[in-house]
Amino acid sequence: DQQVKQNSPSLSVQEGRISILNCDYTNSMFDYFLWYKKYPAEGPTFLISISSIKDKNEDGRFTVFLNKSAKHLSLHIVPSQPGDSAVYFCAASARAGGTSYGKLTFGQGTILTVHP
Amino acid sequence: DGGITQSPKYLFRKEGQNVTLSCEQNLNHDAMYWYRQDPGQGLRLIYYSQIVNDFQKGDIAEGYSVSREKKESFPLTVTSAQKNPTAFYLCVSRGPSYNEQFFGPGTRLTVL
Repeated sequence: DQQVKQNSPSLSVQEGRISILNCDYTNSMFDYFLWYKKYPAEGPTFLISISSIKDKNEDGRFTVFLNKSAKHLSLHIVPSQPGDSAVYFCAASARAGGTSYGKLTFGQGTILTVHP
Repeated sequence: DGGITQSPKYLFRKEGQNVTLSCEQNLNHDAMYWYRQDPGQGLRLIYYSQIVNDFQKGDIAEGYSVSREKKESFPLTVTSAQKNPTAFYLCVSRGPSYNEQFFGPGTRLTVL
């Protein structure tokens, strides 16, 4: 049962254009969402996060949008740069206690390629 | 220089052998996690520990064991009972904030 899904395995965009990576979730208990960037043979690095009390969070070229009613979030990268080429994972967490405190549930990842 | 390290980077194991993956952090974090990454799949939680001398099974704990005798260390043993151990293993150390999730560089385990 995949509670967090990234339905696009890959995305290819031109340098300078917008990259939009999508993520859907099914568990209504999730209240905190994170995006990670991962290069081959390295661990993921934190990119940006959003709490369920917000619908948008912006950090430089990166903006995350959250649509709670649709259980959907997206990461926008504007403008895209070749150095952004990596695998992007979305992750979700239910912070409100429970035995899985701190556990992140990850999507499958989307490979982003930005062409010069 | 604070951080989280994993060793070795690459590990080869023969079938039927147990092998232990190291994870060390000097961030003074209480919580540590082990994830496994397979191609086309998200990271899946194997075990986690919120405090020294305590750990909990994650989603795919079968065939794995852990210990948490020291705050800095959270080694993962892949036993011969793990049917499909070839994967990329990631250790995570987490601070008080959810944004403070630091991933180690990973260990790629290959069973020959």
